[in-house]
Amino acid sequence: KNEVEQSPQNLTAQEGEFITINCSYSVGISALHWLQQHPGGGIVSLFMLSSGKKKHGRLIATINIQEKHSSLHITASHPRDSAVYICAVSRGNEKLTFGTGTRLTIIP
Amino acid sequence: DARVTQTPRDKVTEMGQEVTMRCQPILGHNTVFWYRQTMMQGLELLAYFRNRAPLDDSGMPKDRFSAEMPDATLATLKIQPSEPRDSAVYFCASGLGLGETQYFGPGTRLLVL
Repeated sequence: KNEVEQSPQNLTAQEGEFITINCSYSVGISALHWLQQHPGGGIVSLFMLSSGKKKHGRLIATINIQEKHSSLHITASHPRDSAVYICAVSRGNEKLTFGTGTRLTIIP
Repeated sequence: DARVTQTPRDKVTEMGQEVTMRCQPILGHNTVFWYRQTMMQGLELLAYFRNRAPLDDSGMPKDRFSAEMPDATLATLKIQPSEPRDSAVYFCASGLGLGETQYFGPGTRLLVL
């Protein structure tokens, strides 16, 4: 069993829909990261959080430490949101452990 | 707009050849990471440095891979000799610490024939 599990693996939605991507982890962590990888390959760090919720534009990330679960939400989704979203966790001074990613496709 | 740069962006080589990939981290960042991404394995950490010192290179095949930071503005990843299974995209990232936000370079796409 992977330390970091993401669901769904693939998600296709219509433009404007509310999107939720989930990440569960099995170990205690110090921080959880959400990354975005566009079709061109570039990787961008979206959020790093250790508790509560963070918001940036149409993106919202939440984490529940007790349940070892995080969600990434996208409101009013747009075709430019189409990308692979990767969850990763870190434990203190240890390296990041990555999930396998969720491929999101938003259809106009 | 500070960003991580990597060269080359694309590299095609023949099996057995040496490959050197370079990374310039964001000025002031003291932690540098090398990742490899393949379709099968996803993102994997190969090595990382803090203040130019290697902290963990357990992800690298030691017999053929080596990572160094000759100075604070340059990190290198070498493969010698290269093999077809090394074909992947290699990302460099930098940050202010292991648990901090990492800023990724554009990657080097390597194809070993």
